Amino acid sequence: QKEVEQDPGPLSVPEGAIVSLNCTYSNSAFQYFMWYRQYSRKGPELLMYTYSSGNKEDGRFTAQVDKSSKYISLFIRDSQPSDSATYLCAGRNAGNMLTFGGGTRLMVKP
Amino acid sequence: NAGVTQTPKFQVLKTGQSMTLQCAQDMNHNSMYWYRQDPGMGLRLIYYSASEGTTDKGEVPNGYNVSRLNKREFSLRLESAAPSQTSVYFCASSEAPGHFATNEKLFFGSGTQLSVL
Repeated sequence: QKEVEQDPGPLSVPEGAIVSLNCTYSNSAFQYFMWYRQYSRKGPELLMYTYSSGNKEDGRFTAQVDKSSKYISLFIRDSQPSDSATYLCAGRNAGNMLTFGGGTRLMVKP
Repeated sequence: NAGVTQTPKFQVLKTGQSMTLQCAQDMNHNSMYWYRQDPGMGLRLIYYSASEGTTDKGEVPNGYNVSRLNKREFSLRLESAAPSQTSVYFCASSEAPGHFATNEKLFFGSGTQLSVL
């Protein structure tokens, strides 16, 4: 079993929709969680970073971590065609390497 | 403002051939990494260099070697390529001064698409 699991999608939504992207993880030692966005034929770029449980908001993006259920979410409000990309979640514990999920491909249609 | 530059962008090899993937960063970062990305598998760490002069194995190091040539450059070598090494390879760097600082932000290159026939 992979330590971080994501539904590969694709997830297709109309422009303006609220998008929910989710990950589950199995390593209880994870304390830090990240979301990376990867456009086609590009390298990933860091989108959001959170520590432990709770919510973090940045513009249209909200990252949520529920450590009790080992569940990580990324919400995108007012989705735009430019949000079409693959979203990778990742977790790690202090002093250790990042573990990435397989990514969810999102398509936002005009 | 180049960031992380990888060469080549595409490469086709025959089984048993060798090649070196080159990576350079211009952000004066201490740490550099090589990942491979396969469909559904996510990014997996091959090797990393926490600082100039040091290298360590990641999750999937078998069949690869690395060289941290200087602070800017970190190369990945396949000595005898195998079809299982067909993948997209990403180099990344981070400011982290040592071993996986807690809030490190990774900066990735655009990747090298490698096919081994």
